[in-house]
Amino acid sequence: ETGVTQTPRHLVMGMTNKKSLKCEQHLGHNAMYWYKQSAKKPLELMFVYNFKEQTENNSVPSRFSPECPNSSHLFLHLHTLQPEDSALYLCASSPSTGGRSYEQYFGPGTRLTVT
Amino acid sequence: DQQVKQNSPSLSVQEGRISILNCDYTNSMFDYFLWYKKYPAEGPTFLISISSIKDKNEDGRFTVFLNKSAKHLSLHIVPSQPGDSAVYFCAASGETSGSRLTFGEGTQLTVNP
Repeated sequence: ETGVTQTPRHLVMGMTNKKSLKCEQHLGHNAMYWYKQSAKKPLELMFVYNFKEQTENNSVPSRFSPECPNSSHLFLHLHTLQPEDSALYLCASSPSTGGRSYEQYFGPGTRLTVT
Repeated sequence: DQQVKQNSPSLSVQEGRISILNCDYTNSMFDYFLWYKKYPAEGPTFLISISSIKDKNEDGRFTVFLNKSAKHLSLHIVPSQPGDSAVYFCAASGETSGSRLTFGEGTQLTVNP
């Protein structure tokens, strides 16, 4: 495996379910990100982790709970979601969050549908 | 308040012609700009970037132009190829925002054979 991988690629869940999205990067990077992309909207940054520590939470509702056990893995735990949470969830990584390491490498995304 | 805007949701050009994708920004603290390309069912991939100390950066068929006074940048693709058909996102960042990238809404480019 190379680059950034995400599983599952598609997920349909009810509003009372609990599910998790997984992201893994094989690039040796130290920073990882979760983005949400809704139809016809820009990518919205949700969370940033640098060296496993959360450095940014962009006012994300608590029904989204991130977890970063190490620099290579990032999870997004989902519970009691709303239909408006249906979107493409993208994971990205970069060498770090400091300096000029602005080139982020994205995974293919998880298409989430909340019914 | 959207700080990065791509006002054209779609653009269609003929193969071999030039594609020009535009992006405007409002935050004067932005000093680094990137273009990403996204195919269906894939994540965005980095294409080209430019620092505010430059007004042009070229990489093969892709050139990015930056007009700081107008807070405007553009991506030129010449000659355009059918494989260039994708959604193109403009993104911006500033020294004070660290690695945070602010994205535009994207422009769907279709290159017709």
